[in-house]
Amino acid sequence: EAGVVQSPRYKIIEKKQPVAFWCNPISGHNTLYWYLQNLGQGPELLIRYENEEAVDDSQLPKDRFSAERLKGVDSTLKIQPAELGDSAVYLCASSRWGGHTGELFFGEGSRLTVL
Amino acid sequence: AQTVTQSQPEMSVQEAETVTLSCTYDTSESNYYLFWYKQPPSRQMILVIRQEAYKQQNATENRFSVNFQKAAKSFSLKISDSQLGDTAMYFCASLTGTASKLTFGTGTRLQVTL
Repeated sequence: EAGVVQSPRYKIIEKKQPVAFWCNPISGHNTLYWYLQNLGQGPELLIRYENEEAVDDSQLPKDRFSAERLKGVDSTLKIQPAELGDSAVYLCASSRWGGHTGELFFGEGSRLTVL
Repeated sequence: AQTVTQSQPEMSVQEAETVTLSCTYDTSESNYYLFWYKQPPSRQMILVIRQEAYKQQNATENRFSVNFQKAAKSFSLKISDSQLGDTAMYFCASLTGTASKLTFGTGTRLQVTL
């Protein structure tokens, strides 16, 4: 079974530039998550999708961050414009319905450096 | 609101020895789950072990076991016969039924040495 695939693995941009991250979840997993992991910290949820519906985006900074999950499969997370404080690892994860068992399958993450 | 606290930023253990990682949590929910996730260097995070709060018996997965003290809201992870491949960041996490959202601690970096 293929795991969660994220790209790019690494991205370096100048501040105020846009950036986008892509995630392909495990086949058959209806729930998709984007987490933010700052250096030395645990992941923090940005947004959770059930199929194509964003059911929890309360922690997503909507002034500069946006996400979409068209057709309920792949997802894209965008930042525009990026700020220095956005430097972090962006993790995508997926699970079966609702993730109620707590078993999330994570990708390797996209490490963003904003200069 | 859920909170998860890991008070040990770094730990070290020799190969074949036993190590215990600490975690405390706080929740007002009666129905919740607790987890330990492992994040090896430059690799994806994986689930190590899961504990349902309603179960009194401590979960065990091969060399990994937990000590779940519900009244004290404590959830420690014991790794027996440590192996070099156990070197990783370990995150304690909680999930409540109503939130359906994992809340992670700040992690403990475990180094297994020869």
